[in-house]
Amino acid sequence: SQTIHQWPATLVQPVGSPLSLECTVEGTSNPNLYWYRQAAGRGLQLLFYSVGIGQISSEVPQNLSASRPQDRQFILSSKKLLLSDSGFYLCAWSGRRAHIQYFGAGTRLSVL
Amino acid sequence: AQTVTQSQPEMSVQEAETVTLSCTYDTSESDYYLFWYKQPPSRQMILVIRQEAYKQQNATENRFSVNFQKAAKSFSLKISDSQLGDAAMYFCAYRPGRDMRFGAGTRLTVKP
Repeated sequence: SQTIHQWPATLVQPVGSPLSLECTVEGTSNPNLYWYRQAAGRGLQLLFYSVGIGQISSEVPQNLSASRPQDRQFILSSKKLLLSDSGFYLCAWSGRRAHIQYFGAGTRLSVL
Repeated sequence: AQTVTQSQPEMSVQEAETVTLSCTYDTSESDYYLFWYKQPPSRQMILVIRQEAYKQQNATENRFSVNFQKAAKSFSLKISDSQLGDAAMYFCAYRPGRDMRFGAGTRLTVKP
């Protein structure tokens, strides 16, 4: 069966520090991968999605970037965090022809 | 723009009763997918039910069913025999292609 792992679960970082959140998927190959951000009490905002290694599409221009160095690995990064980067970050995957997205457990990021 | 609107920020239901959560969406596409996701306090996003736009029959999953009105671009979720474990944020989502658009969510409270 397929599983998605996301870490860390919680992160507290000072303003101006770098960020690296990692997401990996097991039990499937060539998945579509997604990064979402959820602000407190709000819905999900799509940040990035990837259909293959090295292929990243950005939905919202911002202080964040994403990379896909391996087929089942998706990384969300920032060189310098801003206060506004605080939020709940969710990674998700879907099959090539499937339309359901499956989510990781999320990372709660607090930028202080 | 393709948007998803959930007009009920909060809803409450008595245990064992039935509740309906509303969702409307805006699209110019004819083929797409609609979803309801549940987010309990753990923040894990859990798929509740999905509907393919080309199917006229409303989807049903145990106590959960939808009322899909394609012409009206409406996709409501009905929860029958509500249980305490149904308490969560519920998100309606629309997927025309690779990415998914979410509504702002409805917080459902279940009263014992």
